[in-house]
Amino acid sequence: QSVLPQPPSVSGAPGQRVTISCSGSSSNIGAGYDVNWYQDLPGTAPRLLIYQNYNRPSGVPDRFSGSKSGTSASLAISGLQAEDEADYYCQSYDNSLSGSVVFGGGTKVTVL
Amino acid sequence: QVQLQESGPGLVQPSETLSLTCAVSGSSITNTYYWGWIRQPPGKGLEWIGTIYHRGTTFYNPSLKSRVTMSVDTSWNSFSLKLASVTAADTAVYFCARSTYYYDKPRGAFDFWGQGTMVTVSS
Repeated sequence: QSVLPQPPSVSGAPGQRVTISCSGSSSNIGAGYDVNWYQDLPGTAPRLLIYQNYNRPSGVPDRFSGSKSGTSASLAISGLQAEDEADYYCQSYDNSLSGSVVFGGGTKVTVL
Repeated sequence: QVQLQESGPGLVQPSETLSLTCAVSGSSITNTYYWGWIRQPPGKGLEWIGTIYHRGTTFYNPSLKSRVTMSVDTSWNSFSLKLASVTAADTAVYFCARSTYYYDKPRGAFDFWGQGTMVTVSS
């Protein structure tokens, strides 16, 4: 069981909007630590999509947006495209025990 | 452009030590960044292994801490991972990556990643 649970899968038709949740607790997201999001395509290195909760690195389309509230965060993909079919991971920091970088369990996005 | 490249044996015997190196180009390893290792078992999610700062400060995943050692080689602009007493559960793609520096802990995003290297633990 991941420290940051994510739904195993979400799906949508091309052009639709999908959201992926990342549920945390008072020892990670709720403690104020930033949430980052990655896109993971088969056979490639994960790509940073969102950093510090809602910022996009250069080159990431504005179809991708991030938000954070309380102990959870979300990634939204609007105008879904076939190329967005991939696994998505949230990442934060957890200060329980001796502290650790933590990743969400991952969400598979399927474009119908 | 920052590039990272992992290297090391693709097959490791059970109970032996897994050793990987990450060569960094386009960025000096002595710049103000953290350098980390992340792994992904086949069909599973990402797991953070550890992070190092070039001055020697290390942060390890508590679940792996007893078996992990990370180091930096500034002369080769690289950093390394050693994972001792490996079992089949350590079979994974291993990634090296750069992350944002914070003064207190490695709580930043991983912005540049290597392509990953598959390591299989088997006799």
